[in-house]
Amino acid sequence: GQNIDQPTEMTATEGAIVQINCTYQTSGFNGLFWYQQHAGEAPTFLSYNVLDGLEEKGRFSSFLSRSKGYSYLLLKELQMKDSASYLCAVRNSNYQLIWGAGTKLIIKP
Amino acid sequence: IAGITQAPTSQILAAGRRMTLRCTQDMRHNAMYWYRQDLGLGLRLIHYSNTAGTTGKGEVPDGYSVSRANTDDFPLTLASAVPSQTSVYFCASSDRGGSGANVLTFGAGSRLTVL
Repeated sequence: GQNIDQPTEMTATEGAIVQINCTYQTSGFNGLFWYQQHAGEAPTFLSYNVLDGLEEKGRFSSFLSRSKGYSYLLLKELQMKDSASYLCAVRNSNYQLIWGAGTKLIIKP
Repeated sequence: IAGITQAPTSQILAAGRRMTLRCTQDMRHNAMYWYRQDLGLGLRLIHYSNTAGTTGKGEVPDGYSVSRANTDDFPLTLASAVPSQTSVYFCASSDRGGSGANVLTFGAGSRLTVL
């Protein structure tokens, strides 16, 4: 089967750095996405990786290793507004999106 | 403001009733999708449409139907609601085509409770 694994919940301190991991097993690979979802709201796009390596976008970076079936989302200089769920999704060879259950990130002052 | 509008925002209905969730986008995206989101599970695709006039089944299509008469509208119908269809429903769209990211834009969601 196809599956995406990510931690259910993480806690971090305001101003710190947190890394959210995502491992995947899918039928082929055509890109990996990270979305942010605040409680009660719609998911919004954060990042897209299709090649190995690090993609940096402001305080957020996303890393991909296709050979290991692994990605992480790195959030720096955490702010209270970063409290949200972070969803990892992989597009397989049939261009279907397979979604992880999300990681709820709690930021403490 | 460009985006996706979903209605209703929330609804409680009795089992066996028919219900249509509405979705309209103004971005001229050719692809549209309906997902359901349940606690502890990833988003699951119900139905999709790659372009106006065509639809396809996703991962969990049973009990749901869709239509795509034009580019902008993509309603989701529950013919006879059951309690297991209690969920948050998200409509999404993307400018599908080429080998790009084809990022999804989501509506605000419709929270449906079936009693």
